[in-house]
Amino acid sequence: GESVGLHLPTLSVQEGDNSIINCAYSNSASDYFIWYKQESGKGPQFIIDIRSNMDKRQGQRVTVLLNKTVKHLSLQIAATQPGDSAVYFCAETTQAGTALIFGKGTTLSVSS
Amino acid sequence: EAQVTQNPRYLITVTGKKLTVTCSQNMNHEYMSWYRQDPGLGLRQIYYSMNVEVTDKGDVPEGYKVSRKEKRNFPLILESPSPNQTSLYFCASSLQPLGERQYFGPGTRLTVT
Repeated sequence: GESVGLHLPTLSVQEGDNSIINCAYSNSASDYFIWYKQESGKGPQFIIDIRSNMDKRQGQRVTVLLNKTVKHLSLQIAATQPGDSAVYFCAETTQAGTALIFGKGTTLSVSS
Repeated sequence: EAQVTQNPRYLITVTGKKLTVTCSQNMNHEYMSWYRQDPGLGLRQIYYSMNVEVTDKGDVPEGYKVSRKEKRNFPLILESPSPNQTSLYFCASSLQPLGERQYFGPGTRLTVT
């Protein structure tokens, strides 16, 4: 079946550290991957996306890496700040392309 | 400002009393979708719409209805709510369904007693 999972439900880091959040996906035919950030009481907020024809994509302080060989996705956050504390979800398109399949989320806690 | 809006944001109701959660987007998006979010289960799709008058079931459609009479609006209807529909609901939209980021609304927290 199609599913997207995350390796760790929680991650705690110190302010200024680099954070790495991992995600494993099962559908080798997935074409598009996306990371969302969800703060308490809010809807998911887009962070960065990547298509399957790319291995890496960088944004502001964030980098997404895609390893299609092992079906692994990661989100790297540089110089993590307290404002980065949130739940992070990875998601992929289904083969039918009508929905995003979400992982269960990793809670990132940043202490100062 | 480009956004997805939902109303109400919070709702407490009783079993069997019909309710509607509205969703509206101002980005001229073709695709709209409803998700529910439950602890330990993540975000699951309820229904989606590829365009006006085109809707289809997602992963967990039982007990829900939707309509898409206008491009900007995609209401979620619970004809006879039950306690197992207590959840956090999100509406989302995107220009197209495949390979596009979805914009999410702020969420509606529904409690059915």
